Amino acid sequence: NAGVTQTPKFRVLKTGQSMTLLCAQDMNHEYMYWYRQDPGMGLRLIHYSVGEGTTAKGEVPDGYNVSRLKKQNFLLGLESAAPSQTSVYFCASSYTGRDSPLHFGNGTRLTVT
Amino acid sequence: AQSVTQLGSHVSVSEGALVLLRCNYSSSVPPYLFWYVQYPNQGLQLLLKYTSAATLVKGINGFEAEFKKSETSFHLTKPSAHMSDAAEYFCAVKGGGFKTIFGAGTRLFVKA
Repeated sequence: NAGVTQTPKFRVLKTGQSMTLLCAQDMNHEYMYWYRQDPGMGLRLIHYSVGEGTTAKGEVPDGYNVSRLKKQNFLLGLESAAPSQTSVYFCASSYTGRDSPLHFGNGTRLTVT
Repeated sequence: AQSVTQLGSHVSVSEGALVLLRCNYSSSVPPYLFWYVQYPNQGLQLLLKYTSAATLVKGINGFEAEFKKSETSFHLTKPSAHMSDAAEYFCAVKGGGFKTIFGAGTRLFVKA
């Protein structure tokens, strides 16, 4: 049982380049989330999805886009990377209940130069 | 709206000493509260959760937390620290919607 899998684990981009981060979960969770983690700021929600074909903005959505074409996958795109997007990105998923905790992937460390 | 404040970005204890990590929350609805732990180069893992049943919640690895509505607190404790407890700990709150809001985290150091 793989849980939540993120690819790639590391990536270095130049300013203005684009990339897509992939997240896959095998737990049949309805909800999926993308967070970024920066020192001293905890985790901040970028975008989330409450089901296949639906997405919504979180706290810090600017500069990012997402898609959820299949229930098990949630993609995060950076169209034109900026140094301010240097961060560790985490994907998470959960069941629908309010008491359901998040299940996290191991993260993608992105550096934008 | 919900928010979480974790007091102390770094806490250092000796092995065998009490661990106390502080968390205060704000929520416009009865909250569901969580503590997660993050080891280096890994994602977050659930330690324990409060979901309006018992106010004293026991989690994995000997940790527990007490929900105090009057103080809007959900502090995490462990009677005796172990070297393997060194990690970063995050308090989180869920209000009425889909989102989980995290505190800034507290890094726990354990001295031999």
